[in-house]
Amino acid sequence: NAGVTQTPKFRILKIGQSMTLQCAQDMNHNYMYWYRQDPGMGLKLIYYSVGAGITDKGEVPNGYNVSRSTTEDFPLRLELAAPSQTSVYFCASSWPAAGHTIYFGEGSWLTVV
Amino acid sequence: GESVGLHLPTLSVQEGDNSIINCAYSNSASDYFIWYKQESGKGPQFIIDIRSNMDKRQGQRVTVLLNKTVKHLSLQIAATQPGDSAVYFCAENSKFTNTGNQFYFGTGTSLTVIP
Repeated sequence: NAGVTQTPKFRILKIGQSMTLQCAQDMNHNYMYWYRQDPGMGLKLIYYSVGAGITDKGEVPNGYNVSRSTTEDFPLRLELAAPSQTSVYFCASSWPAAGHTIYFGEGSWLTVV
Repeated sequence: GESVGLHLPTLSVQEGDNSIINCAYSNSASDYFIWYKQESGKGPQFIIDIRSNMDKRQGQRVTVLLNKTVKHLSLQIAATQPGDSAVYFCAENSKFTNTGNQFYFGTGTSLTVIP
């Protein structure tokens, strides 16, 4: 069972570089999310999507962009990477209704130097 | 904004003892709650959930208790094992949010099981 798959697992970026974190789910979930988790902290929502072609900002969207061209994929784009974006990024998905569990990927560790 | 927090950031227990991890929430409209376990270097994994029309729900070695009066949630782990060492998060959401199925997560409690 693949579930939610994220790539890459680890990445080091230089300040000002750009990159895309890939996320794919095979559970036919309409809702997808990107969270970031700083050391010793909880999860903060960056962006979410309620279906293909629809995205919206979460709590901490600055410095990121997303797209949702298919139900399965939800890439997260970092433009002009900054040290403050050093974090662990988790992609997640869920059924399209409140009261349903969110399933997480294994995480992408990003360091900006 | 939403607030989901934990009373204790760390908890150490002897192997075989029972563990209790607490969580407070502030949104009285929250009606669905989940406990997640996050092992080092991994993503959060679902443990157990509970809806607001229940006070207690049991799983395998885990029990979640919900006290809506004081907006408090707890996770009880029976006969704690070394494999239970992890960070535990509570999360809550409300069907009345207009922003999708958004969950709000606490900071987490780090559970260490002492052999």
